Amino acid sequence: SYELTQPPSVSVSPGQTASITCSGDILGHRYACWYQQKPGHSPVLVIYQDTKRPSGIPERFSGSNSGNTATLTISGTQAMDEADYYCQAWDYSTAHVFGTGTKVTVL
Amino acid sequence: EVQLLESGGGLVQPGGSLRLSCAASGFTFSNYPMSWVRQAPGKGLEWVSAVSRSGGETYYADSVKGRFTISRDSPKNTIYLEMNSLSADDTAVYFCAKEEGGQSIGIYYFDYWGQGTLVTVSS
Repeated sequence: SYELTQPPSVSVSPGQTASITCSGDILGHRYACWYQQKPGHSPVLVIYQDTKRPSGIPERFSGSNSGNTATLTISGTQAMDEADYYCQAWDYSTAHVFGTGTKVTVL
Repeated sequence: EVQLLESGGGLVQPGGSLRLSCAASGFTFSNYPMSWVRQAPGKGLEWVSAVSRSGGETYYADSVKGRFTISRDSPKNTIYLEMNSLSADDTAVYFCAKEEGGQSIGIYYFDYWGQGTLVTVSS
């Protein structure tokens, strides 16, 4: 089965750029997507198919995928972006896989 | 507006059973696969099970295979998760999620989530 590894935490100052990585063999041949989850709330999709933003998601959220690593970038980070972030991929043989999760703190 | 409303959670003793329901609205239910995803207290997200558009194909995480059964009732726009032989490790908030994407695209992802229902397995 595949695994997706994320850093446990990322700290960023308001207005700066936060980058969250997601590493795993599956990403070498599959798309990644990203979810934001605030305490006590359900996850919200912020990036799908590596780079696409759902309607209503601010432009400061962007994604990329190269090699075996996908990256979620938050440009001009705001206090409201403080949350847990999870990557996710899918493969026919293993179905859905979530990353280990990253807590983003806006200092 | 897409809405997913889970119900059926609660306190159950180890070895017991529980059935969760998820009522969907705001989209053509029969056109989309659906999944259950869970989150243990203070932990990350774990995909549990998925059901195809028709309900004819079901998929399970290894951790629940043989104990959980997913199904869907299209006339009622509802999916279910029948959970048996529950243990403390199954304690979690269980989310219902609508899937988007497809095999031809190379990814299925979750574009809408319910609010979750808490399952607590304890004596």
